[in-house]
Amino acid sequence: ETGVTQTPRHLVMGMTNKKSLKCEQHLGHNAMYWYKQSAKKPLELMFVYSLEERVENNSVPSRFSPECPNSSHLFLHLHTLQPEDSALYLCASSQDRGVFSYEQYFGPGTRLTVT
Amino acid sequence: KNQVEQSPQSLIILEGKNCTLQCNYTVSPFSNLRWYKQDTGRGPVSLTIMTFSENTKSNGRYTATLDADTKQSSLHITASQLSDSASYICVVSYFSGGYNKLIFGAGTRLAVHP
Repeated sequence: ETGVTQTPRHLVMGMTNKKSLKCEQHLGHNAMYWYKQSAKKPLELMFVYSLEERVENNSVPSRFSPECPNSSHLFLHLHTLQPEDSALYLCASSQDRGVFSYEQYFGPGTRLTVT
Repeated sequence: KNQVEQSPQSLIILEGKNCTLQCNYTVSPFSNLRWYKQDTGRGPVSLTIMTFSENTKSNGRYTATLDADTKQSSLHITASQLSDSASYICVVSYFSGGYNKLIFGAGTRLAVHP
């Protein structure tokens, strides 16, 4: 185990549903990340939080809404998604957003299917 | 443009055989290169990490090489096991604006058959 947990592991939702993905890290890290992984494509960075402040948003549609209430927890709120949003959503954490931000630890991911 | 290209896209080998996966990158300025193993439906787990000055690094049956001049890396797996079946992702990072940016390859999907 990497010290990063994600729930749920699998999620099926309709396009009109609202759901949330949860990530928790037990490593004492200060930076957390959301990635999207689609089949046969590189991981795409979605959001970056450092000390609970959003520091990066890579042109992600507003139907994805992140929340970071503290340095150990990260949420991704989902609403009115499209079928092309079906993917594996990975959470990661690193010691900081600076020098040690290359050392990222990943959670197991949430497999999302939008019907 | 910063890119990481991996080859082959997929590979099938028999248990006990060796294999080599390739990674070419155009990332600059280079900070470090890491190989991850990702089992199906799981998150990536780091295998090795190399900085500019390192040419080779081993982790059990996994050996990674780095040629910073040609901007190429390889991951060699010796005496493959069924549990090696996974995707192997090459990640190159560069330091810019006070933090590291990671560029991910699309991965090589390895299947080890008995």
